[in-house]
Amino acid sequence: DVKVTQSSRYLVKRTGEKVFLECVQDMDHENMFWYRQDPGLGLRLIYFSYDVKMKEKGDIPEGYSVSREKKERFSLILESASTNQTSMYLCASSPQVNWSYTFGSGTRLTVV
Amino acid sequence: RKEVEQDPGPFNVPEGATVAFNCTYSNSASQSFFWYRQDCRKEPKLLMSVYSSGNEDGRFTAQLNRASQYISLLIRDSKLSDSATYLCVVNGGGFKTIFGAGTRLFVKA
Repeated sequence: DVKVTQSSRYLVKRTGEKVFLECVQDMDHENMFWYRQDPGLGLRLIYFSYDVKMKEKGDIPEGYSVSREKKERFSLILESASTNQTSMYLCASSPQVNWSYTFGSGTRLTVV
Repeated sequence: RKEVEQDPGPFNVPEGATVAFNCTYSNSASQSFFWYRQDCRKEPKLLMSVYSSGNEDGRFTAQLNRASQYISLLIRDSKLSDSATYLCVVNGGGFKTIFGAGTRLFVKA
């Protein structure tokens, strides 16, 4: 069974901390994505990557950065966590040939 | 105007009912269309792709109307387990994939 695995299901961090969210996929997909999902706002794209070491900003990249050193791993970094970054974070991957996404189970991050 | 719009619902229907959701999109150059299902506090999962000719998967039928720029999802003989949020997803080419905010469905006994 193909999978996208996110390292943590729940996280609580303090304001100002540097936060790392890890995502690994085993489908050899070229594309990987980070979204956040908030009630009433739906899924919003933070960053995506179409190849190793390649990254592109999504719709809401401010306060975030990403790293893709290996094809299967895509990390989201919150440089200095703030309370408005409390959210559900979802990682996804997709093949180049179509745009059907497989999502990880999500990380619910609370910044206090 | 949002790029992808859905009626947020909720739709409350009895078991066995037929329910339909519509979704409109603004980019006429959109190329790929999908319906995803998201259970409460879980990740979205692909339900079905939507093709121009329409397609069916068991109790679920998806349709695309390019002229009017909308897609639809029909669920027949609703089950309690169909209760979820249904996300309309439109790809405008390349990495431009837009998720709708979702339509909530509650199926009651």
